[in-house]
Amino acid sequence: QKEVEQDPGPLSVPEGAIVSLNCTYSNSAFQYFMWYRQYSRKGPELLMYTYSSGNKEDGRFTAQVDKSSKYISLFIRDSQPSDSATYLCAMSASSYGKLTFGQGTILTVHP
Amino acid sequence: EPEVTQTPSHQVTQMGQEVILRCVPISNHLYFYWYRQILGQKVEFLVSFYNNEISEKSEIFDDQFSVERPDGSNFTLKIRSTKLEDSAMYFCASKDGITSYNEQFFGPGTRLTVL
Repeated sequence: QKEVEQDPGPLSVPEGAIVSLNCTYSNSAFQYFMWYRQYSRKGPELLMYTYSSGNKEDGRFTAQVDKSSKYISLFIRDSQPSDSATYLCAMSASSYGKLTFGQGTILTVHP
Repeated sequence: EPEVTQTPSHQVTQMGQEVILRCVPISNHLYFYWYRQILGQKVEFLVSFYNNEISEKSEIFDDQFSVERPDGSNFTLKIRSTKLEDSAMYFCASKDGITSYNEQFFGPGTRLTVL
């Protein structure tokens, strides 16, 4: 079983839709959870970060962590064409350790 | 806004040659990382560096790889004898020593092509 699994998509939605991106993981030591956005041939850009279980909201983005199910989600409300990118989940066991990434989900928001 | 920078943006080399990839982490950050991403695959951890020494490395980071922080601003990754399978995007990342979350900020990457 892969440590972090993420549906690669691709996911195509109309502008204004609510997008749900998800990752599952197997390593119960993971405590820190991040979402990155990556445009083609660019570096990952940090979007959201959370610690342990719970929700965190930042503008149109909401990150959720359910440690009991080993499941994390990123919701994007009122999606825009500029949100079109690859979204990567990443997680770690410590506040300074290596990040383990998911495969990334390719999202296209069409006007 | 401070950012991680990397040079060169693209490096083409012949198999067996040595390459040095350079990174300037965000000023005052204390933790430094190298990751790589082979085309179409996930981002993979290579090595982390703290307090002038390697703190963790992956199986990928074998004797052909080395890292160095030669001065107060640069952080380098050296591949001694490149192989075809080293072709990938290499990302440098850094993190401060203050926040309690693992917020790693990535550079734009160096695309390494080994012929």
